[in-house]
Amino acid sequence: SYELTQPPSVSVSPGQTASITCSGDYLGTKYVSWYQQKSGQSPVLVILQDVKRPSGIPARFSGSNSGNTATLTISGTQAMDEADYYCQTWDTRNVIFGGGTKLTVL
Amino acid sequence: QLQLQESGPGLVKPSETLSLTCIVSNGSIYSSSYYWGWIRQPPGKGLEWIGTIYYTGSPYYNPSLKSRVTISVDTSKNQFFLSLSSVTAADTAVYYCARHLMIAASASDYWGQGTLVTVSS
Repeated sequence: SYELTQPPSVSVSPGQTASITCSGDYLGTKYVSWYQQKSGQSPVLVILQDVKRPSGIPARFSGSNSGNTATLTISGTQAMDEADYYCQTWDTRNVIFGGGTKLTVL
Repeated sequence: QLQLQESGPGLVKPSETLSLTCIVSNGSIYSSSYYWGWIRQPPGKGLEWIGTIYYTGSPYYNPSLKSRVTISVDTSKNQFFLSLSSVTAADTAVYYCARHLMIAASASDYWGQGTLVTVSS
């Protein structure tokens, strides 16, 4: 079965750029979505189709996907961005989630 | 704005069947552009996809849960449903219903608030 791998944790200083990776075989041939989940809340879609931001998502969130790795980039990270982030794709009629990455803004 | 709301028992006994309803409001399930799905999250753990259904009633299930899961839809009530049989403590989780975008590899753009289901005697 298809798997997506994320680092368990990433740390970043306020104002700096955070990069969260998501790896899977030939992932660049699939669409990837990213979700932000703050403590006690439902996930929020922040990136779809690799690079698109839904309405209301700040421009500091961006995505890329090539080869075997998709990346969520948060530029000028703010304290409010501290959350768990999950990547997700679709493979042979299955929705696949990565294990999640805890982003800490130090 | 579309809203999804999960409803159902918060406590289920081991070996019994967990049943949840997702009520969709301010939008129609009867749409060719979307799937409707269930996702769960055990306490302190990550997201796990359970299954997804189209308004015509064609479901797809997580292979690891397929033998115990049934997802159905009632377009007349604008609701869809989850049934998970033979539950154990490992099925304790927050259960979310969500809308998936067909054109975007099932990206989920709307989620319910989630409902905690505890499996315990």
